[in-house]
Amino acid sequence: GENVEQHPSTLSVQEGDSAVIKCTYSDSASNYFPWYKQELGKRPQLIIDIRSNVGEKKDQRIAVTLNKTAKHFSLHITETQPEDSAVYFCAASSLSGGYNKLIFGAGTRLAVHP
Amino acid sequence: DGGITQSPKYLFRKEGQNVTLSCEQNLNHDAMYWYRQDPGQGLRLIYYSQIVNDFQKGDIAEGYSVSREKKESFPLTVTSAQKNPTAFYLCASGRTSGNTGELFFGEGSRLTVL
Repeated sequence: GENVEQHPSTLSVQEGDSAVIKCTYSDSASNYFPWYKQELGKRPQLIIDIRSNVGEKKDQRIAVTLNKTAKHFSLHITETQPEDSAVYFCAASSLSGGYNKLIFGAGTRLAVHP
Repeated sequence: DGGITQSPKYLFRKEGQNVTLSCEQNLNHDAMYWYRQDPGQGLRLIYYSQIVNDFQKGDIAEGYSVSREKKESFPLTVTSAQKNPTAFYLCASGRTSGNTGELFFGEGSRLTVL
């Protein structure tokens, strides 16, 4: 089955710096790669996703890149702000209609210091 | 107000007791999921269901049971056979059609075994 590894487990940056979180996956059939943000005491929420037919996707300060050959994908946050502090989870699945059996990474705790 | 509701938010149980966690959604989603969240281990899939009266085991189904008698409801029972039940449990729902893989999570139920 699918296995997703995520690094680093914790990340501390100064406000305004960039943050990068990396994930690798094992199943070559995976074609859908979302990123979820979980603020303290709250539910995980989707912030961006990418499909295997796209190499990069941007949404304002966040971007995701995908390297299918190497089976890894990354989340990039630019101009970090204190409200970006949260736990970020990557995930992977083979989305082809029907249910979406997401397999999650272990999470990265991001701290943005003013 | 559409969404996914979990109850109770906190639950304490004695060893040897079964406990049922409720999950209700009014998003008209066909698929529903139960995840377990432990510190440093991300979200692990317990059970998922694509349609009423059908459900599948996830990666850590041992010691858990579910039912899907209504589209809106997907309760999870943590049985006495679950060796380490203290955890944070998250329910999610999602569409099975269309071009979206987003899962919508509830606020979670924190179970503590005394």
